[in-house]
Parts: sequence; C-alpha cells; structure tokens
Amino acid sequence: AVQLVESGGGLVQPKESLKISCAASGFTFSNAAMYWVRQAPGKGLEWVARIRTKPNNYATYYADSVKGRFTISRDDSKSMVYLQMDNLKTEDTAMYYCTALAYWGQGTLVTVSS
Amino acid sequence: DVVLTQTPVSLSVTLGDQASISCRSSQSLEYSDGYTYLEWYLQKPGQSPQLLIYEVSNRFSGVPDRFIGSGSGTDFTLKISRVEPEDLGVYYCFQATHDPYTFGAGTKLELK
Repeated sequence: AVQLVESGGGLVQPKESLKISCAASGFTFSNAAMYWVRQAPGKGLEWVARIRTKPNNYATYYADSVKGRFTISRDDSKSMVYLQMDNLKTEDTAMYYCTALAYWGQGTLVTVSS
Repeated sequence: DVVLTQTPVSLSVTLGDQASISCRSSQSLEYSDGYTYLEWYLQKPGQSPQLLIYEVSNRFSGVPDRFIGSGSGTDFTLKISRVEPEDLGVYYCFQATHDPYTFGAGTKLELK
C-alpha cells in the first residue's frame, strides 16, 4: 500500500528555521513529482511547493508566499522529500501535507509563535 | 497567478439529492500538450484530502461513478448524483496547468 509519512513539525519562533520530512513507500518514488500542501487552522488548502523528477532535472517551483524562504528537495535513494523552511512567519502556521496528488500523508503540524 | 473561484461556498443537501459545484478559472487551464490539469479533491472532517477527479473528468481509482466531472477552458463542474453520507466534507478544485499551482477556496457539502 502507498504510504506517505510526514515528520519534523513542531513549535518554533518567528524568524527561526525548521525542516520537515516525508517518507514514501508503496510506489515508484523516483518517477513521481512530489508536493507540499499546507492548511492553516480552519482554512482551505494552499499549494506550497513541488519538485519534479530526475529526467526533469529536479526542477522546483514555489508559491509566491514562500518563495525565497522555503526549499523543497528529495532523495530518491531513500524515497524521501523534504521542506526546509527558513525565516518562518506566524502566517506559516499550518498542517503541512506531503503529497503525490493521488496520495496524501496525514500531515505534520508546524506552529510559528513567540 | 491563476485564481480558481468555487461556488457555492456551502451547499446543504438531503441524502439522495444531486449536488453541483462550479469552479471558474481566471485563465484557460488547457496546457500546451492538449490536456487540462483540473482536479477535484474531497477533504472529509479530520482527514487528509483525497483525489476524486483528475484531468477534468477522469475518476481516480475507487471513486464511485456518482461523481462526474466536466468542463473545459475556464469553466468546470463537479456533480454528485445521489449524495450519500460519506460524501460530506469540503470539496476543492485544483489546477496543475500553470505555475504556481492553486486551489479553489472550497465548497462545504453538508446535510440540510
């Protein structure tokens, strides 16, 4: 069965950094574009970032709200995808989902508060 | 950025009714390869989103045939015939044609 398991969320202060991870299994990870989507408490879904596959040079794309602060990466040898979040703001507080669009993890909660 | 406008914001239905949700895009979602990357997701209470429809009208594996996606260009519709209790939640349209990708604001389907 396909599984996406996020980890690394937690409470951080504004301007701090945090790196969250996602472990994938049950599908050919290296063939799949991977995404991070977030959901602030009580709000809708917001697409955050995506990373393409090796044949597409691992190209990355970001939402305007996180561009320059967040970095998505992947390690195909470990079937892992990461989101490095720098200069965090209170408005980055959200549940962060790792997804291949057809499949979603359960999310990891990131809270940015002083 | 592409803006997806979903209507209505909320929809109250009786079990067994048909429900219809509209998603309008600020620009055409037809990609240069001829495909239209418009998808529909359902997020049930307390759960992660789940894919229902991809490329406008293709049901994902295991999705019942009472879910019907249609549309082209900038106007898209998700119809649910004979609403069942497990269909309740928030529906989102999503476009993967233009970077940055974007979601609609969601439509909450609830019981009358």
